[in-house]
Amino acid sequence: GNSVTQMEGPVTLSEEAFLTINCTYTATGYPSLFWYVQYPGEGLQLLLKATKADDKGSNKGFEATYRKETTSFHLEKGSVQVSDSAVYFCALSGAPKTSYDKVIFGPGTSLSVIP
Amino acid sequence: DGGITQSPKYLFRKEGQNVTLSCEQNLNHDAMYWYRQDPGQGLRLIYYSQIVNDFQKGDIAEGYSVSREKKESFPLTVTSAQKNPTAFYLCASSPWGQAVWETQYFGPGTRLLVL
Repeated sequence: GNSVTQMEGPVTLSEEAFLTINCTYTATGYPSLFWYVQYPGEGLQLLLKATKADDKGSNKGFEATYRKETTSFHLEKGSVQVSDSAVYFCALSGAPKTSYDKVIFGPGTSLSVIP
Repeated sequence: DGGITQSPKYLFRKEGQNVTLSCEQNLNHDAMYWYRQDPGQGLRLIYYSQIVNDFQKGDIAEGYSVSREKKESFPLTVTSAQKNPTAFYLCASSPWGQAVWETQYFGPGTRLLVL
């Protein structure tokens, strides 16, 4: 079945450091890929998405490229800020169909950015 | 502003008690979902509903029940049969796409604690 694997956390970085959070997936067909962010005590927010191979999703300085050849969707940011401290979830959903195809979430990676 | 509201923010359950978590959306979305989040784990799907008066079990439906009498509302009842209810519960909704898969919008969550 479909699944998502993320690098284990927690990740602690100094402000302005480069961030990479690895995400790989297993899926049949051509899934859409997502990164969600969860700030402390809040629900999840969609950070970025990519719906086909080689697409690059970007938002708030974060980027991720859909790599079908390596089944990966790594999250990157060139210079993190303290306000980026949160839990980041990689997720996938199946190709559009007439029936429901649920979103599969990875376990999440906790990021702490220190001044 | 459109969005998803969940109430209460914190809920306490006594032994043998049923409790109901509220989820309301004004996004005019057809589909609604309930997830459970435990520390260090990804979200797990409890129930989902594509249309009014219809719902389907997710991966961990045992000990939970739902109803979908109105498009805007999808309450979740945690019954006494759920032996480990302490968790963070997230409600989500999404439009039911015809040609393109649309992503889910999440509420702020309810934290359920057992007394």
